[in-house]
Amino acid sequence: QVQLQQSGPGLVKPSQTLSLTCAISGDSVSSNSVAWNWIRQSPSRGLEWLGRTFYKSKFYNDYAVSVRSRITINPDTSKNQFSLQLNSVTPEDTAVYYCVRYSFSIRTMDVWGQGTTVTVSS
Amino acid sequence: DIQMTQSPSSLSASVGDRVTITCRASQSISSYLNWYQQKPGKAPKLLIYTASSLQSGVPSRFSGSGSGTDFTLTISSLQPEDFATYYCQQSYSIPFTFGPGTKVDIK
Repeated sequence: QVQLQQSGPGLVKPSQTLSLTCAISGDSVSSNSVAWNWIRQSPSRGLEWLGRTFYKSKFYNDYAVSVRSRITINPDTSKNQFSLQLNSVTPEDTAVYYCVRYSFSIRTMDVWGQGTTVTVSS
Repeated sequence: DIQMTQSPSSLSASVGDRVTITCRASQSISSYLNWYQQKPGKAPKLLIYTASSLQSGVPSRFSGSGSGTDFTLTISSLQPEDFATYYCQQSYSIPFTFGPGTKVDIK
């Protein structure tokens, strides 16, 4: 049974960097049949896909245009986890952040982390 | 980006009612449409993938249909645990996009 466990601070100051980690159990960050995603949810933006990392002989990333200049998603094979870094945050980045597994075979997001509420405020 | 719309945005129904939610994509997405259920304070839960395939463990009263741009989620007989918000999501192309949600509450 695949589980995703999120960790990271719930409060970030404006202009600083939001950092979250997602620990994977029951699967591998290096699996070539899935991708590892970050999605956020806010009342103003709804559910918003931010980006993903996946392994196909090497690691690749895709990012949403809206955050492309500020986002980094990194896999960590030694700890079997992946992370989100979002730079230069503003109050508009306040949201619940989810890490999510995407299965290439059924083309769907089938496993979700528990969510982390992140507030951007001084 | 592919835009997803849902209707209605909310509905009130009674236990035992048949409920239908529709989702429309701004362009054809073949059958790459998924449905999720979300309850307050919880992560979304996958119900239906590729338009009509029932996720393991999901009750058979949930069903999905459609292809191209128009899709439907049906709950054949609404149960108390089904009161929640439902989202559609396209996985045809990056960036993945979600509908705005349909909230189902008790009449």
